[in-house]
Amino acid sequence: GAGVSQSPRYKVTKRGQDVALRCDPISGHVSLYWYRQALGQGPEFLTYFNYEAQQDKSGLPNDRFSAERPEGSISTLTIQRTEQRDSAMYRCASSQGGTQYFGPGTRLLVL
Amino acid sequence: AQSVTQLDSHVSVSEGTPVLLRCNYSSSYSPSLFWYVQHPNKGLQLLLKYTSAATLVKGINGFEAEFKKSETSFHLTKPSAHMSDAAEYFCVVSDTPGGTSYGKLTFGQGTILTVHP
Repeated sequence: GAGVSQSPRYKVTKRGQDVALRCDPISGHVSLYWYRQALGQGPEFLTYFNYEAQQDKSGLPNDRFSAERPEGSISTLTIQRTEQRDSAMYRCASSQGGTQYFGPGTRLLVL
Repeated sequence: AQSVTQLDSHVSVSEGTPVLLRCNYSSSYSPSLFWYVQHPNKGLQLLLKYTSAATLVKGINGFEAEFKKSETSFHLTKPSAHMSDAAEYFCVVSDTPGGTSYGKLTFGQGTILTVHP
């Protein structure tokens, strides 16, 4: 594809609901990253994959957050039992050769 | 551990005047350094990157940055600002502990650049 795509672009949910955010990386990119960006802040690392293997999940804030990339391409970030503090922009990036290319992000609002 | 400090949260310049966005970093290894730009309601776009080659790095849209190890700085400059440069800019570091694989990026807090006519 032309670039990294994410869906949905906007998600409004009620506290306590589960949400799944999808990332479709650039075709052929081995590495995929998830970041979270609060308003007025820079993005913060959540987790990353090489192929289907989760290499580092040190940035996931708690066990309500999980991510998978079962076939080494599309990835899903799942947040269970959402809380208002989870409201943020969730960004995905893919890379090949050291440069990360970012998608447009999913803006999550938890009411 | 790696960290980034962007010294100015807001910078305001007049169109046609030089731009300087300041960044200091901390890294345990040989760092890779990047500048990304974020226009309103758009994704992050890579401006330029330093990966231990030439210390003066040229990027897109006339921007450049100089890696100064002794000062642990990676300031972003442009000789003449354009209205379209108005955006938020992020300085970013990635540790490369002896290898060529890249891991997580650590972003600074961002600098909002305003360009006045």
